Amino acid sequence: NAGVTQTPKFQVLKTGQSMTLQCAQDMNHEYMSWYRQDPGMGLRLIHYSVGAGITDQGEVPNGYNVSRSTTEDFPLRLLSAAPSQTSVYFCASSYTNRYEQYFGPGTRLTVT
Amino acid sequence: AQSVTQPDIHITVSEGASLELRCNYSYGATPYLFWYVQSPGQGLQLLLKYFSGDTLVQGIKGFEAEFKRSQSSFNLRKPSVHWSDAAEYFCAVGSNTGNQFYFGTGTSLTVIP
Repeated sequence: NAGVTQTPKFQVLKTGQSMTLQCAQDMNHEYMSWYRQDPGMGLRLIHYSVGAGITDQGEVPNGYNVSRSTTEDFPLRLLSAAPSQTSVYFCASSYTNRYEQYFGPGTRLTVT
Repeated sequence: AQSVTQPDIHITVSEGASLELRCNYSYGATPYLFWYVQSPGQGLQLLLKYFSGDTLVQGIKGFEAEFKRSQSSFNLRKPSVHWSDAAEYFCAVGSNTGNQFYFGTGTSLTVIP
């Protein structure tokens, strides 16, 4: 039982490049979410999904896309990377938004 | 809208001293409440949670928290802090209205010898 996995652990992008952060869970959780963490800002919700085929925006969705084709996977796409997207990104999953969220180890992204 | 407030951005305590981290929430119904810890460079680990019942809940690593409905608070406590407790602590609330899970902005704990 791997829990929540994220790849890559580290990534450096140039401004304007695109990439996908991968997130997978093996706990059959319906609820999955993406957060970014910046110093002094806590965790800010980017996008979330309440089940396969259903996604919605969180607090800071601009510049990011998500899709949820399977229960297990919830990738986060950066369409055209900007320095303001330099951050640590965490994926989380849970049965619903009401219960404890299980977090992946994070992806540290730097955009130059 | 639901919200979670952690009024202390940073706290410094001496090793062996007691600790209390404050958390206030804004929520209409009985909330599901959580405390997470994040060590430097690591992900978030669940310390404890409150759903219902006994308002004093025990967690891992010797932490406990008390739910006080009248004060809309869920403060985290530890009787004697260890140097390894230095970390960032996040309070969070799960909502049954809407679809989001809400985090506070965190409290950074420094432990001095």
